[in-house]
Amino acid sequence: AQSVTQLDSHVSVSEGTPVLLRCNYSSSYSPSLFWYVQHPNKGLQLLLKYTSAATLVKGINGFEAEFKKSETSFHLTKPSAHMSDAAEYFCVVSGPDNFNKFYFGSGTKLNVKP
Amino acid sequence: GAVVSQHPSWVICKSGTSVKIECRSLDFQATTMFWYRQFPKQSLMLMATSNEGSKATYEQGVEKDKFLINHASLTLSTLTVTSAHPEDSSFYICSARAYSGSLETQYFGPGTRLLVL
Repeated sequence: AQSVTQLDSHVSVSEGTPVLLRCNYSSSYSPSLFWYVQHPNKGLQLLLKYTSAATLVKGINGFEAEFKKSETSFHLTKPSAHMSDAAEYFCVVSGPDNFNKFYFGSGTKLNVKP
Repeated sequence: GAVVSQHPSWVICKSGTSVKIECRSLDFQATTMFWYRQFPKQSLMLMATSNEGSKATYEQGVEKDKFLINHASLTLSTLTVTSAHPEDSSFYICSARAYSGSLETQYFGPGTRLLVL
């Protein structure tokens, strides 16, 4: 079975400073891991995904995430926050042992201060 | 990228009525679609998996007779909330499974906000 824990419900950063959104996962098999972003009144947008290729995954809008099996983590980072990054971010795990269904973390709301 | 639409984007209905929500994959075919529910300030919870041409698979605790799912074509799945009650008020989101080579992902619709009075 899979599960995801997003360690912070809210993160607040200043514009131009680094962003770190934490995600830990639990999975019986080699998981696929995703980060999605949800802007207010808009649909979920895929930021990046890990599917057992390179452990450092680069996504859209300057985001990247590193898969660390020993730490069961998949933290999302960005070197410099932009005001438009303010949104809710979801870490997602899926795997073949559950028919590749998606299991969502509880979400992290990112606030970017000017 | 792949685009998924939902209709309507929001709906208000009276208690006891039924509401149908459509989910369409606009530029690709999807043999599998998923329906999620999101309560305010909470995460998405998978309700059911919709497979084209066969019965939907419901997650534990989801009433299949209340949330009717039909996936009659490769680009359309519908969710009907039957005899809706105020506790059914929520944000319903669909997604469609797509493949890029051997890599699989889900593309999400913009969601439908349901308010039952």
